[in-house]
Amino acid sequence: TQLLEQSPQFLSIQEGENLTVYCNSSSVFSSLQWYRQEPGEGPVLLVTVVTGGEVKKLKRLTFQFGDARKDSSLHITAAQTGDTGLYLCAGGRYNTDKLIFGTGTRLQVFP
Amino acid sequence: GAVVSQHPSRVICKSGTSVKIECRSLDFQATTMFWYRQFPKQSLMLMATSNEGSKATYEQGVEKDKFLINHASLTLSTLTVTSAHPEDSSFYICSARAQISYNEQFFGPGTRLTVL
Repeated sequence: TQLLEQSPQFLSIQEGENLTVYCNSSSVFSSLQWYRQEPGEGPVLLVTVVTGGEVKKLKRLTFQFGDARKDSSLHITAAQTGDTGLYLCAGGRYNTDKLIFGTGTRLQVFP
Repeated sequence: GAVVSQHPSRVICKSGTSVKIECRSLDFQATTMFWYRQFPKQSLMLMATSNEGSKATYEQGVEKDKFLINHASLTLSTLTVTSAHPEDSSFYICSARAQISYNEQFFGPGTRLTVL
């Protein structure tokens, strides 16, 4: 059972457009990470959010953790071709070192 | 900081042979390392959790005798795919967790295994 559902599954947009990726669960997480993975490479950590309602900004990327710590969103402003990749959210739990990975969102940004 | 390396990055082997993949944390000590498998266009599938100095914990459905994991030091974990078969062909990725973190994992670049 996949505990973290991401939507949309695929997203194809043109440079300059804005987009939002959602990561939803019915479970509560102690922390939530967002990763970006390019083909043939390992995921790269973008951000960690730990407090309900927390908002973090990383240049054109804005991350939000839901108030109840069950969901998160990633908003990209003015997408660039370099944003292309697989975006993965991952939730942490208090009683385990393991991360629960989301289903992934594949983003393609065209020039 | 938080750099994880994997070796080899790509390996092609014959069916029936064994392949060892190394995962190293280069600039931090990792008490826990993880091994994932990733199928094309899919998310990561956790195979096992590797703890330094103790036996690995395998996820349900992962054969421990097939995928041998050793975590002999705080900076090195190895995954050995024994008697590899074509269905074992995949992208294997390791990650390491720093001793003090919010469950953050830092990933290696992955190893592409092709079994002929």
